[in-house]
Amino acid sequence: DQQVKQNSPSLSVQEGRISILNCDYTNSMFDYFLWYKKYPAEGPTFLISISSIKDKNEDGRFTVFLNKSAKHLSLHIVPSQPGDSAVYFCAARDFGNEKLTFGTGTRLTIIP
Amino acid sequence: NAGVTQTPKFQVLKTGQSMTLQCAQDMNHNSMYWYRQDPGMGLRLIYYSASEGTTDKGEVPNGYNVSRLNKREFSLRLESAAPSQTSVYFCASSERKNIQYFGAGTRLSVL
Repeated sequence: DQQVKQNSPSLSVQEGRISILNCDYTNSMFDYFLWYKKYPAEGPTFLISISSIKDKNEDGRFTVFLNKSAKHLSLHIVPSQPGDSAVYFCAARDFGNEKLTFGTGTRLTIIP
Repeated sequence: NAGVTQTPKFQVLKTGQSMTLQCAQDMNHNSMYWYRQDPGMGLRLIYYSASEGTTDKGEVPNGYNVSRLNKREFSLRLESAAPSQTSVYFCASSERKNIQYFGAGTRLSVL
């Protein structure tokens, strides 16, 4: 049972345009959500997070939106740059728990 | 500024062989984790340790054992490797419920 789902395995976006990566979850007990970025042959690195008490969090070119009623979050990257080409993982933390549940990842390719 | 260090980076085993994957962190974090990443499966938690001396099973613990040697080190052991354990293994650490920091991974092939 996949509690965190990233339904798009891949996404291609023109350089300078907006990239939108989506993530859906099923567990109502998730209270904290994170996005990780992963380059080939490297470990995932933390990108941005959002608490369930908020609906938006921004950090430079990256914005995460949370829609609790739809159990949906999205990561917006504006403007997209070639260095953003990577695999992006959505993750969620259960309230009162230290463990993270990861989605299957979306491979983002930025076309110059 | 090493962060989380994993050794080895690559390993090839024959079915039935044993090996230990090493992980060390220098951030003084209490919590440490072992994940495996398989194509189309994302990252799945094998074991985690909330503090020195404690370990708990994650989503896919079968075929693995762990040791939290001290606050810095958390090792993962395969007693009798199977082809199904061919994967990329990541170690991570965090300070309680905060962000997890990952090592660069160990790519393991079991023939």
